[in-house]
Amino acid sequence: AQSVSQHNHHVILSEAASLELGCNYSYGGTVNLFWYVQYPGQHLQLLLKYFSGDPLVKGIKGFEAEFIKSKFSFNLRKPSVQWSDTAEYFCAVSPGFQKLVFGTGTRLLVSP
Amino acid sequence: DGGITQSPKYLFRKEGQNVTLSCEQNLNHDAMYWYRQDPGQGLRLIYYSQIVNDFQKGDIAEGYSVSREKKESFPLTVTSAQKNPTAFYLCASSRLAGDQLSSYNEQFFGPGTRLTVL
Repeated sequence: AQSVSQHNHHVILSEAASLELGCNYSYGGTVNLFWYVQYPGQHLQLLLKYFSGDPLVKGIKGFEAEFIKSKFSFNLRKPSVQWSDTAEYFCAVSPGFQKLVFGTGTRLLVSP
Repeated sequence: DGGITQSPKYLFRKEGQNVTLSCEQNLNHDAMYWYRQDPGQGLRLIYYSQIVNDFQKGDIAEGYSVSREKKESFPLTVTSAQKNPTAFYLCASSRLAGDQLSSYNEQFFGPGTRLTVL
């Protein structure tokens, strides 16, 4: 069965620090990859997605992710975090037909 | 104002009672989904529907039932057979992609219902 691993369950950073959240998936075929974010009290929303082409994907609010096929990874990065980035982040994989498989999530706390 | 609404936001039920969670969308999406979110476990798919009067089991369908009588509505019933029903339930919808992997359509999520079974 497909699975998604997010290695960091809780991350605490100071403002202006750089962020990298790990995501690895297990699936041998072609997949679509996503990062979703859930800000406190808000709906889960799409941060960025990868279908094909350039493996470096840019999303909203200065986030980006890099797809490394050989490592089955899709890590999320941001050069300089802000207090408003405090949220829970979910990596997700779609092996096809619109089904999404989510990772367990990473709670990010950015201290001002 | 288009979007997905879920009601109620908080729901309390006694053990052994069935409870139905509402999900309505006005995005004209064909596909709808129900997920369960538990701390440290991410989101897990319960049921999904790609067309009216049709739905498929997700990864954790046991103890749940759904119906899709209207395109806009996809209610979820948590039955007494669900052994651990206390959780945060999220509904989502999307346009219907074809069978091409590259034609995946973004899923939009509702605000969720937090169910507590006492």
